[in-house]
Amino acid sequence: DTEVTQTPKHLVMGMTNKKSLKCEQHMGHRAMYWYKQKAKKPPELMFVYSYEKLSINESVPSRFSPECPNSSLLNLHLHALQPEDSALYLCASSQASYGYTFGSGTRLTVV
Amino acid sequence: GENVEQHPSTLSVQEGDSAVIKCTYSDSASNYFPWYKQELGKRPQLIIDIRSNVGEKKDQRIAVTLNKTAKHFSLHITETQPEDSAVYFCAASISGDDKIIFGKGTRLHILP
Repeated sequence: DTEVTQTPKHLVMGMTNKKSLKCEQHMGHRAMYWYKQKAKKPPELMFVYSYEKLSINESVPSRFSPECPNSSLLNLHLHALQPEDSALYLCASSQASYGYTFGSGTRLTVV
Repeated sequence: GENVEQHPSTLSVQEGDSAVIKCTYSDSASNYFPWYKQELGKRPQLIIDIRSNVGEKKDQRIAVTLNKTAKHFSLHITETQPEDSAVYFCAASISGDDKIIFGKGTRLHILP
């Protein structure tokens, strides 16, 4: 299995909602990532988990809360988001930063 | 920290011609340079990468060159086809580091 699977593909949520994005990989990669991508911009790093431990948090607001239950799963819990948080959220995995494999993303709309 | 500059931001080439996208990096410790292609509405996909012990790497119509002294690397696409139209991102990282730094992207249009 050479895929990173993300669910859901699309999500519309209100500013008072709580939702979660899910990511799964079965390539044995030790690092997993959350990226945010706005239209016509490069992916912007949010969080990195290495060996299931949070290794990088790029000063992301606390309304985004990552979780790594095991080496194959990565979640992003969302609460009290703002309309400007609407974006494509990409999960990725890699072995020591070589050749990221990205998931197909969750397109999030905050209303 | 590392900074990656990418040029041009937009590139239009006639089908069949070659396209070249250039990137520079700032951290001399960077030693891994991947290129990603992102089609509209899709995920970024790794198309080619190069490590600092190699000056050039080729895969069919795609090649990447690296000049460590000048700290720049380039993507070359020959015999361009309509399906090459996409946004291309260069990136740089240090081996073993968890973080890849992306350039701002180049939107490539292949003209019929």
